[in-house]
Amino acid sequence: TQLLEQSPQFLSIQEGENLTVYCNSSSVFSSLQWYRQEPGEGPVLLVTVVTGGEVKKLKRLTFQFGDARKDSSLHITAAQPGDTGLYLCAGAISGSARQLTFGSGTQLTVLP
Amino acid sequence: GAGVSQTPSNKVTEKGKYVELRCDPISGHTALYWYRQSLGQGPEFLIYFQGTGAADDSGLPNDRFFAVRPEGSVSTLKIQRTERGDSAVYLCASSSAGGADTQYFGPGTRLTVL
Repeated sequence: TQLLEQSPQFLSIQEGENLTVYCNSSSVFSSLQWYRQEPGEGPVLLVTVVTGGEVKKLKRLTFQFGDARKDSSLHITAAQPGDTGLYLCAGAISGSARQLTFGSGTQLTVLP
Repeated sequence: GAGVSQTPSNKVTEKGKYVELRCDPISGHTALYWYRQSLGQGPEFLIYFQGTGAADDSGLPNDRFFAVRPEGSVSTLKIQRTERGDSAVYLCASSSAGGADTQYFGPGTRLTVL
């Protein structure tokens, strides 16, 4: 059973469109991370959010941590084919900060 | 500098056989993690080392799985009497000190049990 639920599971969009990926849980996390994974490679960290309500921007990517620290979202503006990949959220539960709990991932395909 | 490396990149074995998967962490990283990623799923935590000792092995699915890190650097994940359900990508990650430090992942070893 995944503690973190991601939606949608699959997303295929045209270049230039905007999209949002959601990560939800009934558990409270001390921090939440977003990763991007490409085929044959390990996940690569994009961002870490630690404060409820926190918003972080990384170029065209905007990450938000929910006020109650149970959910997060990733918004991509003007998606490009290079954004294609598997996006994973991962949470650290207070007291077990070393063990990351991953969501099932969102496979994003951006078509040119 | 060099990232986390894992060998072999692919391993095919038969049901019931023993396998060893190796992880070389980033030099100087004291914390090392093993995760397992099944097809269509996110990585699932297996075990965490701080130095030479296993600080948290709560994710190991059963006693067929064992991991060591004898000198606090390279780690080996050992699976006895492999089963078809063990087929997955086994990922290793390291971080400089554990805790909230960023985990850097290797490319993984794809294990297929026939």
